[in-house]
Amino acid sequence: AQSVTQLDSQVPVFEEAPVELRCNYSSSVSVYLFWYVQYPNQGLQLLLKYLSGSTLVKGINGFEAEFNKSQTSFHLRKPSVHISDTAEYFCAVSDQLGTDKLIFGTGTRLQVFP
Amino acid sequence: DAGVIQSPRHEVTEMGQEVTLRCKPISGHDYLFWYRQTMMRGLELLIYFNNNVPIDDSGMPEDRFSAKMPNASFSTLKIQPSEPRDSAVYFCASSLFDGIGGPYEQFFGPGTRLTVL
Repeated sequence: AQSVTQLDSQVPVFEEAPVELRCNYSSSVSVYLFWYVQYPNQGLQLLLKYLSGSTLVKGINGFEAEFNKSQTSFHLRKPSVHISDTAEYFCAVSDQLGTDKLIFGTGTRLQVFP
Repeated sequence: DAGVIQSPRHEVTEMGQEVTLRCKPISGHDYLFWYRQTMMRGLELLIYFNNNVPIDDSGMPEDRFSAKMPNASFSTLKIQPSEPRDSAVYFCASSLFDGIGGPYEQFFGPGTRLTVL
């Protein structure tokens, strides 16, 4: 079965600094990857997803992620963070097209300081 | 458009009591998911439905948990009897088959925070 590892439980960063949130998945023949964000006291919402095609995926709020098959990684990046980016970020994987069963990582808490 | 609606938003109950959580998916969506989120275990998929039919309930922790989807616009998650270890935030999410081949974006509700004393 697929699994997802988010190595960093917390990432503190100052406003306007770049940030990278790491995500690694267990290898599979085909893999489909997602990043979701959860703001305080809210449900999750999709930031971006990779199904196929270009390995660099752009999402909402200036975030992007790069699919690296050889390293089984899908790290999330933003060149300059804002206070409003403070939230929990979840990486998720689905190992089959046509199934909506997602396996979520344990989450990374991004804390942006002024 | 209204998003996924969950009720109640907060529930405090005593051990042994029955708890029913409710979810209204986005109109027209044909997949519905129930998740549980805790600090210890993170976000876990409990069960999901397609066109009101349960597809995978392997994440349901034990027989105390049951879920139903009597129609396309309503689902319930019931815990009977409840225990303190059931305390968590329960999320409902829905998605729509677009005819191309997913996985499809899941839209999450705001969650129900359950506390079992």
